[in-house]
Amino acid sequence: LAKTTQPISMDSYEGQEVNITCSHNNIATNDYITWYQQFPSQGPRFIIQGYKTKVTNEVASLFIPADRKSSTLSLPRVSLSDTAVYYCLVGNYTGGFKTIFGAGTRLFVKA
Amino acid sequence: SQTIHQWPATLVQPVGSPLSLECTVEGTSNPNLYWYRQAAGRGLQLLFYSVGIGQISSEVPQNLSASRPQDRQFILSSKKLLLSDSGFYLCAWSLTGYAFSGYTFGSGTRLTVV
Repeated sequence: LAKTTQPISMDSYEGQEVNITCSHNNIATNDYITWYQQFPSQGPRFIIQGYKTKVTNEVASLFIPADRKSSTLSLPRVSLSDTAVYYCLVGNYTGGFKTIFGAGTRLFVKA
Repeated sequence: SQTIHQWPATLVQPVGSPLSLECTVEGTSNPNLYWYRQAAGRGLQLLFYSVGIGQISSEVPQNLSASRPQDRQFILSSKKLLLSDSGFYLCAWSLTGYAFSGYTFGSGTRLTVV
C-alpha cells in the first residue's frame, strides 16, 4: 500500500486559495488518489478523487502530475468553515479495498 | 440513496467490560465494510474490513473482534476492554468493483474506557 506524506498543518485567511500537497512516491499503476475532509467528532467526508491530470468539482480541484508521485488539493476562496483536517489517500480495489490514512493536514482558516 | 448508521454516539465503559458497536448500511448490497479507530489528534487506523458475510480481515492485532452476521451489518466487539481501547470508532462502507469509489463514513462512536 502506498504511503502518503502531507504537511502537518497549514494556516490561511478567508478568501484565499489553499493548496495542500501530498507525496505518494510508491503509488501503484492502478491506485486512485482520494481526498477527505474531517471536522472534529465527525467521520471523514469525501471531497474529490482522481487518477491523473486534473479533476474539478464544485468543492475543490485536484492536480496530479504525469508521474503521479504527488497530488495537490486546491480549495478556492476558503472560509472559516473549511477549517478541518484533510486526508490524502492512495489505494485500489484488491479484493477488499483498504487504504492507509496518514495523520492528515490540519488547515486553520482565520478571519 | 445510501446511508450508514452507527451507534451509540458516545460510550463510557469500565476497564474489563465488554463492548459491542453496531453499524448498518442501507440502500446498497454487498458493500465492503470497515472499522477504523482514531486516537485523539491522530489519523485513522484501519482495524477490520469485510468483503462479505462472515468474511473478516484484521489489520491490527488487538483484543477487538468484528463480525458481519448480515450483508449490511458490521459489529465491533470486545470481551474485555482496555484503557488503550479508548478512541473514536468509525464504520465505513465502499462499493465493490474495480474502480475505487471512496468511503462513506458513519458519524462515529466516542468510546472512553475508564
